[in-house]
Amino acid sequence: GNSVTQMEGPVTLSEEAFLTINCTYTATGYPSLFWYVQYPGEGLQLLLKATKADDKGSNKGFEATYRKETTSFHLEKGSVQVSDSAVYFCALIYVSGGYNKLIFGAGTRLAVHP
Amino acid sequence: EPEVTQTPSHQVTQMGQEVILRCVPISNHLYFYWYRQILGQKVEFLVSFYNNEISEKSEIFDDQFSVERPDGSNFTLKIRSTKLEDSAMYFCASSESGRRNYGYTFGSGTRLTVV
Repeated sequence: GNSVTQMEGPVTLSEEAFLTINCTYTATGYPSLFWYVQYPGEGLQLLLKATKADDKGSNKGFEATYRKETTSFHLEKGSVQVSDSAVYFCALIYVSGGYNKLIFGAGTRLAVHP
Repeated sequence: EPEVTQTPSHQVTQMGQEVILRCVPISNHLYFYWYRQILGQKVEFLVSFYNNEISEKSEIFDDQFSVERPDGSNFTLKIRSTKLEDSAMYFCASSESGRRNYGYTFGSGTRLTVV
């Protein structure tokens, strides 16, 4: 089947620290990969995406590279800010029966302290 | 930037009552979805909708749930007789295409509290 596994949180960092949130996936076929972010009290916002192997998605200083050989899509940021505190969801979209379907990982909470 | 609009943002209802959660997807999108997130837990797929019919539904989406696109703009989720365990954040999403490289745009959610 198709699934997404994320590292468990919470991840607690000091401002300007380097961030990595691990994400691996299992999929039949060739999925597209996404990171969504949920700030406190808000909805789900698309952070970045990659649709084929070796693609790098990037936005707001965050990056993730689609690694088919390791079935991974780890999220990284070189220097986090307090405003990055949120829950981050790794997700994939696969196509089944002519329709696409998005499934999420469990989410990783990031807390950044000054 | 086009957005998906959900109303209300928060609804409190008594157990056994019917609720209707409303969503206005992005106007040129053709695929519509409902997801839910029980507090502190995973975001779970409920149902997908295309061409005025359900294309897929999860085990959670039992006979108590229904979806409708009553006009050209709204997309609703109805829970016929709410239970305490229906308390969750419900997210509506839409997508322009059924192809895998098109992401979903999510609304801000409706927090449903069943008392």
